[in-house]
Amino acid sequence: EADIYQTPRYLVIGTGKKITLECSQTMGHDKMYWYQQDPGMELHLIHYSYGVNSTEKGDLSSESTVSRIRTEHFPLTLESARPSHTSQYLCASSRYNSPLHFGNGTRLTVT
Amino acid sequence: QKEVEQNSGPLSVPEGAIASLNCTYSDRVSQSFFWYRQYSGKSPELIMSIYSNGDKEDGRFTAQLNKASQYVSLLIRDSQPSDSATYLCAVNLRGSQGNLIFGKGTKLSVKP
Repeated sequence: EADIYQTPRYLVIGTGKKITLECSQTMGHDKMYWYQQDPGMELHLIHYSYGVNSTEKGDLSSESTVSRIRTEHFPLTLESARPSHTSQYLCASSRYNSPLHFGNGTRLTVT
Repeated sequence: QKEVEQNSGPLSVPEGAIASLNCTYSDRVSQSFFWYRQYSGKSPELIMSIYSNGDKEDGRFTAQLNKASQYVSLLIRDSQPSDSATYLCAVNLRGSQGNLIFGKGTKLSVKP
């Protein structure tokens, strides 16, 4: 049973549109993450948060932004989508120094 | 030097055999080690965690940790075609702000 939820599951959108990928968790985890993963390729950390009002950039530079106004919610926003943003976006959460729990992911296609 | 290294594979084993997946990491003082399984098009799922030297068994899976050699492995006994997936090693490295560092993953194929 999923305790971390991502919506939408799939999204096809045109170039230049603003999009927000939603991620919510019900486990009370302090830390939340966004990863980007192309098919068959490795995970890249693009954003993470230690808790409310905390956001940090990850290892891979990304044009997306995130916010953490509530513990359970960590949305990712792209102000102007481009074809280069086509990828799978995975949200995860954890307690400090504990394993990550991943959501089902959002597969984004920008045409 | 990559901080968490895995052989990308593919590793192909016959059904019923033991699959051995290996991972090395750069930081000698790392404390937490995890194995994730990722089916194609799906998100990673945690299958094993190990924190101290030695073996940890869970069903058909055994994780082995050797901190002196900076080496962690995953053995899958009686491999099944349903075990075919990419296996990701993840390590909590010093200086990573408490974030897990993932290897690139080893693709395992179990042939019937």
